[in-house]
Amino acid sequence: KNEVEQSPQNLTAQEGEFITINCSYSVGISALHWLQQHPGGGIVSLFMLSSGKKKHGRLIATINIQEKHSSLHITASHPRDSAVYICAVPLYGGSQGNLIFGKGTKLSVKP
Amino acid sequence: DAGVTQSPTHLIKTRGQQVTLRCSPKSGHDTVSWYQQALGQGPQFIFQYYEEEERQRGNFPDRFSGHQFPNYSSELNVNALLLGDSALYLCASSFWGVGKEAFFGQGTRLTVV
Repeated sequence: KNEVEQSPQNLTAQEGEFITINCSYSVGISALHWLQQHPGGGIVSLFMLSSGKKKHGRLIATINIQEKHSSLHITASHPRDSAVYICAVPLYGGSQGNLIFGKGTKLSVKP
Repeated sequence: DAGVTQSPTHLIKTRGQQVTLRCSPKSGHDTVSWYQQALGQGPQFIFQYYEEEERQRGNFPDRFSGHQFPNYSSELNVNALLLGDSALYLCASSFWGVGKEAFFGQGTRLTVV
């Protein structure tokens, strides 16, 4: 079954900086999710990707299936980007079903 | 499209009591998964429902049970509540099938006192 490692655990940036969060997993997967969670809040799905790269506004997600690695980039970071960013993959690789989550990266963007 | 909606948003219960949490999936979605997120931890998979049947289950005791209705909405029931059941309970909906994107609700914050 899959294991997920995310880094860094905590990240502090100045407004405007380019940010990268990394996620590695151990078992081949059908798709990987990047999620955002604000303090005390529910989870918002940012991306689901199975190959290549996706872009939404200032957020970019990439995945390298061969290396079992994904990155989430935030360009021109803003204080409102402060949140916990989590990657999640299927517990059993290619199966439909339950996700296993990374421990999350707590991002704080200072003005 | 209202997305995934959960009710109630907050709930306080006493040890030993029973609780029911509700989830309405995103329009068109037929699969509902439930997760428990303890404070400071990542979500843990409880179970998943499709076609009104439990399809997968995580490592949770039988005190945790669920149901899915013909309209795809779902309930999570927890009996004999323990202090350790205090957590954010998240519902996620998707289409059935491999690699389908999951959409999450805002969660229900359960506090057991």
